[in-house]
Amino acid sequence: AQKVTQAQTEISVVEKEDVTLDCVYETRDTTYYLFWYKQPPSGELVFLIRRNSFDEQNEISGRYSWNFQKSTSSFNFTITASQVVDSAVYFCALGSSNTGKLIFGQGTTLQVKP
Amino acid sequence: KAGVTQTPRYLIKTRGQQVTLSCSPISGHRSVSWYQQTPGQGLQFLFEYFSETQRNKGNFPGRFSGRQFSNSRSEMNVSTLELGDSALYLCASRTGLDSTDTQYFGPGTRLTVL
Repeated sequence: AQKVTQAQTEISVVEKEDVTLDCVYETRDTTYYLFWYKQPPSGELVFLIRRNSFDEQNEISGRYSWNFQKSTSSFNFTITASQVVDSAVYFCALGSSNTGKLIFGQGTTLQVKP
Repeated sequence: KAGVTQTPRYLIKTRGQQVTLSCSPISGHRSVSWYQQTPGQGLQFLFEYFSETQRNKGNFPGRFSGRQFSNSRSEMNVSTLELGDSALYLCASRTGLDSTDTQYFGPGTRLTVL
């Protein structure tokens, strides 16, 4: 069975702190895809990044970075120098190669205080 | 390019009624998926449509149905509403059925069942 676990329910940090959101997944597929989405209070899920199972190269995009480790089935997301506008719910999701269905984690609510 | 649009944004219904939600995908996208988001169950996949055909279906009762039109717009219908159907319903579109296609989400329709 496929499953995504985001163990951190809520995280609160002060502006400019670095914060890492954890994501652990389970799948028997050999080819799969991992995603991070951000959901601000408006409700829309905003796509942040996608990673393919065969590409373990980590990525940095501005203040965001992602650490994909197949050996530990983890796909963690780090925000450097957090800002108040980063406050949102962040979802990690798993997709398989033969269906458009995404399996979402329960989400991590990030609150960045000024 | 305009994003995914959903109408209406908010809806209040009473138990036993039925409701129809609408989704217009990003121009050029031919696949539309629907998800239900509740505080208790999180984000759950309802179904995916491509070329007016349902391609994948989640684990929801038959009261939940959908369809897709030739212009790729999609509607979702819930009949005999129950209190537990109160949720944010999110629509996502992607280019096609290729597993490399990323899903982009709309702002959602918040349904309240009284």
